[in-house]
Amino acid sequence: QKEVEQDPGPLSVPEGAIVSLNCTYSNSAFQYFMWYRQYSRKGPELLMYTYSSGNKEDGRFTAQVDKSSKYISLFIRDSQPSDSATYLCASNYGGATNKLIFGTGTLLAVQP
Amino acid sequence: NAGVTQTPKFRVLKTGQSMTLLCAQDMNHEYMYWYRQDPGMGLRLIHYSVGEGTTAKGEVPDGYNVSRLKKQNFLLGLESAAPSQTSVYFCASSYPHTKETQYFGPGTRLLVL
Repeated sequence: QKEVEQDPGPLSVPEGAIVSLNCTYSNSAFQYFMWYRQYSRKGPELLMYTYSSGNKEDGRFTAQVDKSSKYISLFIRDSQPSDSATYLCASNYGGATNKLIFGTGTLLAVQP
Repeated sequence: NAGVTQTPKFRVLKTGQSMTLLCAQDMNHEYMYWYRQDPGMGLRLIHYSVGEGTTAKGEVPDGYNVSRLKKQNFLLGLESAAPSQTSVYFCASSYPHTKETQYFGPGTRLLVL
């Protein structure tokens, strides 16, 4: 079993829809939870992160972590065609090496 | 400020050939990483380095070697390429104190025939 599981999709939504992307993780020692966005043929870039449980909002994006159920979510409001990308969740222990454990990524397509 | 750069962008190798992938960063980051990305497998850590002259194994290190002779460069070597090493390779770097942020390069696409 992978330590971070993610539905690969693809997920196709109309422009303006609310998008919900989800991951689960198995290691209760994880402390940091990240969402990276990867456009086609590009490297991943950090979108948002949270430390421990709770919500974090940045514009149209909200990241949510529920440590009791080991569930990580990313919500995108008023989705735009420019949001079309692969979204990768990631976690780490917060240790000295900063090693990240990535999910497999969910491919999102926002149709105009 | 170029960030993280990788060379080459694309390469085709025959089985048994060797090659070196070069990663360079201009952000003065201590930590550097090599990942491979395969369909359905996500990003998997090959090797990483926490400072000049130090390297360590990641999740999938077999068949690869690395060197970090200079702080800004991290080299990934394939001594005898195999078709199973066909993948997209990403280099990343980070500061030690930022647990969440790794800066990725644009990737190298490698095809081993």
